[in-house]
Amino acid sequence: GQNIDQPTEMTATEGAIVQINCTYQTSGFNGLFWYQQHAGEAPTFLSYNVLDGLEEKGRFSSFLSRSKGYSYLLLKELQMKDSASYLCALETNAGKSTFGDGTTLTVKP
Amino acid sequence: DSGVTQTPKHLITATGQRVTLRCSPRSGDLSVYWYQQSLDQGLQFLIQYYNGEERAKGNILERFSAQQFPDLHSELNLSSLELGDSALYFCASSVGTGGNEQFFGPGTRLTVL
Repeated sequence: GQNIDQPTEMTATEGAIVQINCTYQTSGFNGLFWYQQHAGEAPTFLSYNVLDGLEEKGRFSSFLSRSKGYSYLLLKELQMKDSASYLCALETNAGKSTFGDGTTLTVKP
Repeated sequence: DSGVTQTPKHLITATGQRVTLRCSPRSGDLSVYWYQQSLDQGLQFLIQYYNGEERAKGNILERFSAQQFPDLHSELNLSSLELGDSALYFCASSVGTGGNEQFFGPGTRLTVL
């Protein structure tokens, strides 16, 4: 299987930095996605990591370590609009994606 | 606006019925994906089509089927509906078959009574 674990909820303060972790157990995968989903809306793509290391895109960065079965999403300079659910998903060699249950982030003033 | 359209937006039906959900991908995207999102199961991948051919299959029930037409729009057919099929159904599209950014449609909210 591809058990994917994320914390259920996190709270952070506006302007701060938060790291959302994702751990997984799988025999093989193409890459790892991160999505943002606001309540009642569709997910939106944030990042896709294939190689180990950090990929930075504006205020958001994503890290992958295949050997450790671990990824994280780093959000800097938090804004109130960053309050959302963040989904980690593995894309397998077969082309399908398996999602974690998501982490609900609440940003407080 | 992602460029992906889904109809209808809402659907209310009864157990045992059959419904069809429709998705039009972004212009130029060849892949279409279908997902189900319910409160107790999170986001689940159902099936992917690429340029008219089935590319990958998730835990899609036998009561569910999908196809992608020559104009690249896709339909998801749900039959013998059960209460547990009530969920948000998302369609997404991407340029290629994998590792590409997926653009999600607004979803169809299905309620089975």
